[in-house]
Amino acid sequence: NAGVMQNPRHLVRRRGQEARLRCSPMKGHSHVYWYRQLPEEGLKFMVYLQKENIIDESGMPKERFSAEFPKEGPSILRIQQVVRGDSAAYFCASSLREEDGYTFGSGTRLTVV
Amino acid sequence: GENVEQHPSTLSVQEGDSAVIKCTYSDSASNYFPWYKQELGKRPQLIIDIRSNVGEKKDQRIAVTLNKTAKHFSLHITETQPEDSAVYFCAASITGGFKTIFGAGTRLFVKA
Repeated sequence: NAGVMQNPRHLVRRRGQEARLRCSPMKGHSHVYWYRQLPEEGLKFMVYLQKENIIDESGMPKERFSAEFPKEGPSILRIQQVVRGDSAAYFCASSLREEDGYTFGSGTRLTVV
Repeated sequence: GENVEQHPSTLSVQEGDSAVIKCTYSDSASNYFPWYKQELGKRPQLIIDIRSNVGEKKDQRIAVTLNKTAKHFSLHITETQPEDSAVYFCAASITGGFKTIFGAGTRLFVKA
């Protein structure tokens, strides 16, 4: 079992470009969560998805950010028109059941220049 | 919504001493309390968890306690070792409540 796979590990984007972050959950896990971590800070919830459904997106900014988890393929976190403040580590996590602890991916470190 | 506070933000101990990290939560409906360890530049990893139907759980040098009345829970690490140095996050969630809320983290330094 390869665990939660995130790619890319590092992503550099210029202001105004789009960033696409991918996450493949652990085999058999159908619950996917995205968290953002700023340097020296905690993990901030962004969005919770199941296959083809957004369950809770209360932590995601209303503009420029979107997430999906299609029937086939990885979950995608998309940030349009990136700004310097979007620079952070974005972690994806998955769980087998909603009430279980998370397995985190290695994260994508986004740098906006 | 749920709010989790964690203290201290930084903790420095001598190798072999014990370390205690404390958290409080606001939503009395929370019933699952995991702890994660994050080493520098790495992913958070689940190290222990406790559910609301028990007051204490132990796994080798790590133990967690839960006081539902006071809405407090704590992580205890005994006989600390340099490899315990990391950031530790407490968290709280409600089964069926869709998301886990994390504390701000405690940076633990274990001095050899």
